[in-house]
Parts: sequence; C-alpha cells; structure tokens
Amino acid sequence: AQSVTQLGSHVSVSEGALVLLRCNYSSSVPPYLFWYVQYPNQGLQLLLKYTSAATLVKGINGFEAEFKKSETSFHLTKPSAHMSDAAEYFCAVTTSDTGRRALTFGSGTRLQVQP
Amino acid sequence: EPEVTQTPSHQVTQMGQEVILRCVPISNHLYFYWYRQILGQKVEFLVSFYNNEISEKSEIFDDQFSVERPDGSNFTLKIRSTKLEDSAMYFCASSPDSNNEQFFGPGTRLTVL
Repeated sequence: AQSVTQLGSHVSVSEGALVLLRCNYSSSVPPYLFWYVQYPNQGLQLLLKYTSAATLVKGINGFEAEFKKSETSFHLTKPSAHMSDAAEYFCAVTTSDTGRRALTFGSGTRLQVQP
Repeated sequence: EPEVTQTPSHQVTQMGQEVILRCVPISNHLYFYWYRQILGQKVEFLVSFYNNEISEKSEIFDDQFSVERPDGSNFTLKIRSTKLEDSAMYFCASSPDSNNEQFFGPGTRLTVL
C-alpha cells in the first residue's frame, strides 16, 4: 500500500519569497514520486518527477524537489515565488512495480502568493 | 504539443441516468486512466486500462462503472446508474508506457441532481 501526506492545506508566501511545500510518502516498494499543479478550472500539469535517478529533480517554472529516502520526503521548493505560482499543488506516488501505475495523490496544498 | 482531450467539459444528469464520459488520449500512448476529484477532496484513482483490458482498479470502481476503448482513439467511462455522490470532476490520463508520467486531460465536471 502507498500513501502521501501533504502538510499544510494552505500556504501563503510573499512574492519573491521561498516556496516550500511539504510531501511525505509511504510505500512498501521503491516509489516513483510526482508533483502536479492545478490552476483554477484546469487539469493537472506535471511539474516534476522522481523515478529513481537523481535525487534532486528540477522541473518546470523554476521548481525543484529532493527525494530523501531516510525522511520519506519529497518536498517541493522554489527560491522566489511569482504571482503566477498561485495554484493547488498535489504530490503523488506510484510504485516501481510493473503494471501497477495508479497514482495515489495527497490532499493538495493551495499556494497563495501575496504581492 | 499533443494533449489529452475530454468531452463534455460539464455534464448535468438526473440521478439514476447513465452517463458516458469521453476522452481522446495522446495518440501514441498505450496506458489509459480515469481519476475523479470530488469537490474539495483529493484526486482518486478509478481504473487503468492497457491492451484492451483493465489492468488495475480501485474499490471505487464498482459494477456501476465500466470503461471501453471503442475505436483507436476514444477511451470512455460509463456510469450505469448515477448517484448523487458520483458528482465530481473526472480526469482522463494517458501514458506512453508504464514507466512514464501520466498526462492529464482538463476534466469533465459531472453534476448529478
């Protein structure tokens, strides 16, 4: 079984400040981890993914995440927030088991960026 | 850039009616998925489909639900007798292989009255 916990359903930062969105996972087999972003009334867009290669993963729009096995974490960061980053962010996990690719999502974190 | 499309964008139906939600996955993708998101809740996996059969399904995906790939391009989700609690945003996703990311469509908002 696998699960994802996102700490903080709402995060508010000032424009230009560091963004840190937390994600912890649980998986009985080596995980694949993803961050998706959802803008209002839109679908899910992939920001970045970890699939057992480099532990520091860079994604689109200046976001990056670091896979830390010892902490079972995959936190999302961005050095400087932009107004356009305001959206809902979902962390998701799947397993490396062949044929089992269902994504398990966290409950999401809504990022608000203040001017 | 190729993308997953879904129709309709919004479907309103009466409780007990059948609905079919349609998706056109990215053309060279082989794995297809349905997820749903009840308003204010997390995105939940429903079913995955590969090689013309269901490869994985969640406990949500009961006998009321079915999926089909009727031709080379469409992927459909049928709900036989809708219930109020089926109201949600339904997302289709596709992937070129089992090791790759899933590309999501914009979703169909289903409202059951």
